[in-house]
Amino acid sequence: GAGVSQTPSNKVTEKGKYVELRCDPISGHTALYWYRQSLGQGPEFLIYFQGTGAADDSGLPNDRFFAVRPEGSVSTLKIQRTERGDSAVYLCASSLHPRDSLGYGYTFGSGTRLTVV
Amino acid sequence: GENVEQHPSTLSVQEGDSAVIKCTYSDSASNYFPWYKQELGKRPQLIIDIRSNVGEKKDQRIAVTLNKTAKHFSLHITETQPEDSAVYFCAASTRGADGLTFGKGTHLIIQP
Repeated sequence: GAGVSQTPSNKVTEKGKYVELRCDPISGHTALYWYRQSLGQGPEFLIYFQGTGAADDSGLPNDRFFAVRPEGSVSTLKIQRTERGDSAVYLCASSLHPRDSLGYGYTFGSGTRLTVV
Repeated sequence: GENVEQHPSTLSVQEGDSAVIKCTYSDSASNYFPWYKQELGKRPQLIIDIRSNVGEKKDQRIAVTLNKTAKHFSLHITETQPEDSAVYFCAASTRGADGLTFGKGTHLIIQP
């Protein structure tokens, strides 16, 4: 597609429920990132995929958070037993292979606003 | 890990004046420093970036400077316009680490 697409744009869920957030990156972008942005803060790194594998998941806050990218394109961020503190905008970004190339620049999606009540 | 500090948190300037936002980083291995602009309710958008082998980069009214010795980098916007009003984030990335560490943002307000 033309840009990074995230669905849903808004999600309200009850505390304790399970949620899935979807990211469809720019076609051909092998690198995919998930970030979380709380109100008034900068984005916080969660996880990075290179192709199908999670190359760096050091930003996931705990084992309730998990992400997959089974075919190297669409990714799903999964949150189990949601808590009110999980409320934030979850941003996905993609780029061409980042590490040793010039293509470091990300393109962010519009995000999913998650509200846990 | 990396820590990025950003100042000021809010900056108000008269239209046509210049604006400067400053960031410091802690990890001397950081080698990539992008700046993002985020308008209310919208996605962050990359506006300029600089790599550690360069001291300054310009793109029209926007420039970024990097001082590796002092571990700080700055965003300069000249001839500010109302559409420059937004939150600006600096970030840093270390070779071998793939995520960006962001500052807390600067809310830039352009007064007409």
